[in-house]
Amino acid sequence: AQSVAQPEDQVNVAEGNPLTVKCTYSVSGNPYLFWYVQYPNRGLQFLLKYITGDNLVKGSYGFEAEFNKSQTSFHLKKPSALVSDSALYFCAVRDDSIYNQGGKLIFGQGTELSVKP
Amino acid sequence: EAGVTQFPSHSVIEKGQTVTLRCDPISGHDNLYWYRRVMGKEIKFLLHFVKESKQDESGMPNNRFLAERTGGTYSTLKVQPAELEDSGVYFCASSLRDGETYEQYFGPGTRLTVT
Repeated sequence: AQSVAQPEDQVNVAEGNPLTVKCTYSVSGNPYLFWYVQYPNRGLQFLLKYITGDNLVKGSYGFEAEFNKSQTSFHLKKPSALVSDSALYFCAVRDDSIYNQGGKLIFGQGTELSVKP
Repeated sequence: EAGVTQFPSHSVIEKGQTVTLRCDPISGHDNLYWYRRVMGKEIKFLLHFVKESKQDESGMPNNRFLAERTGGTYSTLKVQPAELEDSGVYFCASSLRDGETYEQYFGPGTRLTVT
């Protein structure tokens, strides 16, 4: 069965420091991976995706993610955190089981990122 | 381009009452999805429409939940009768029919509180 794990409920970093939000996945075929962010009182916003190609994927707001097939990980990273990056981050994988014909997403539990000045 | 919109943004109802949530997808998006996040847990899939047809409703918790998408445009999700465990945030998302990116665009969600 497809699954996603975000091992950290919360990540705290100081502004200007690099940040990493972890995500591991389990899929039966090729993984289609996504990161979404939810700012307070807002909906989910798409950050970036990995479908195929380069293992380092660049997305919105200076975020990037590294796909690592051997470790089945897709960690979200940013070289220099901003206070405005504080939000809830969700990793997701597209369900590619043979029973799924619609590309529904399977989400992790979310990681609360707090960036302090 | 307008994004996915949802109405209402918040709803507080008593156990046993009925609530109807509405989602307007991005114009031209044939795929429409409903998801739910309950009590700070992971976001879970409820169902998927392709135009007006239900493609996958494997995530619907029980028969108290009814989703429709008449005419293949907006969708409604009705909960009748509501129970305490139905409280949570209900998200709607849409995507292009043949999009290669499989990217789903989410609405702001409806926060449902059942008391």
